[in-house]
Amino acid sequence: DIQMTQSPSTLSASVGDRVTITCRASQSISSWLAWYQQKPGKAPKLLIYKASSLESGVPSRFSGSGSGTEFTLTISSLQPDDFATYYCHHYNSYFYTFGQGTKLEIK
Amino acid sequence: EVQVVESGGGLVQPGGSLKLSCAASGFTVSGSAMHWVRQASGKGLEWVGRMRSKANNYATGYAESVKGRFTISRDDSKNTAYLQMNSLKIEDTAVYYCTWGLGERYQWGQGTLVTVSS
Repeated sequence: DIQMTQSPSTLSASVGDRVTITCRASQSISSWLAWYQQKPGKAPKLLIYKASSLESGVPSRFSGSGSGTEFTLTISSLQPDDFATYYCHHYNSYFYTFGQGTKLEIK
Repeated sequence: EVQVVESGGGLVQPGGSLKLSCAASGFTVSGSAMHWVRQASGKGLEWVGRMRSKANNYATGYAESVKGRFTISRDDSKNTAYLQMNSLKIEDTAVYYCTWGLGERYQWGQGTLVTVSS
C-alpha cells in the first residue's frame, strides 16, 4: 500500500507569510495528487489537482508542485481565510490515500 | 452546475444497517469511478471503498476496516451510487463523503453524518 507522509502536522504563521506544506509518497504516484483545505464542520475543498493544476475559483496565491514522490503546496501570501487544515490526497480509480493533515494556525 | 449530494445518514444502533445514497448532477457518471470516504469527528480522512466504471466491470475495493460489512453499488441510469452498511460498529460513526471521477479530478459531496450509538 502507498503511504502519504505530510509535514508539518502543525504550522504557525502570520498574515502575509509564505508557507509550504510537504507531502511524500512511499512510492512513485506520478502526478496523481490533490490538495484540499478543510474548515471545521465543512467538507474538504479542492485547491489543487494533478499535482499542480489550480481548481477553478481558487485564488492564485495557492500553488502546487512536484511529481513522483515529493509534492508541495505553497501559499504565497497568507490571508485570514486561509487558516484551516490542509490534506494531501493520492487518488486513482483503485484507491485513495490521504496525508495526516496540516493544521495552519495564526501565530 | 456540477454537484454531488449524499443522503441517508442518521442514528443507528450498533449491529444495525444503513444505506447511503450519492446523487450526481451536471455530469454523466457512466465513465467514472466513485469512492466513499469518511471522517470521524476531529480525525483525518479515511478511504472506505470504491466502485469503478462499467468499462472496468464495476470492480469494487474496500478498506480492511469495512470489508465484509459494507457494499458499494451504483445505478448509472440514475447517476447515483449507494453504500450499504451492515453490522455497524460505534467506530463507524463519521461523516461519509462520496466522490465521483470527473476528468483528472474528483468531485466531492458535502457529506452525510452517520452516528452509531445505543
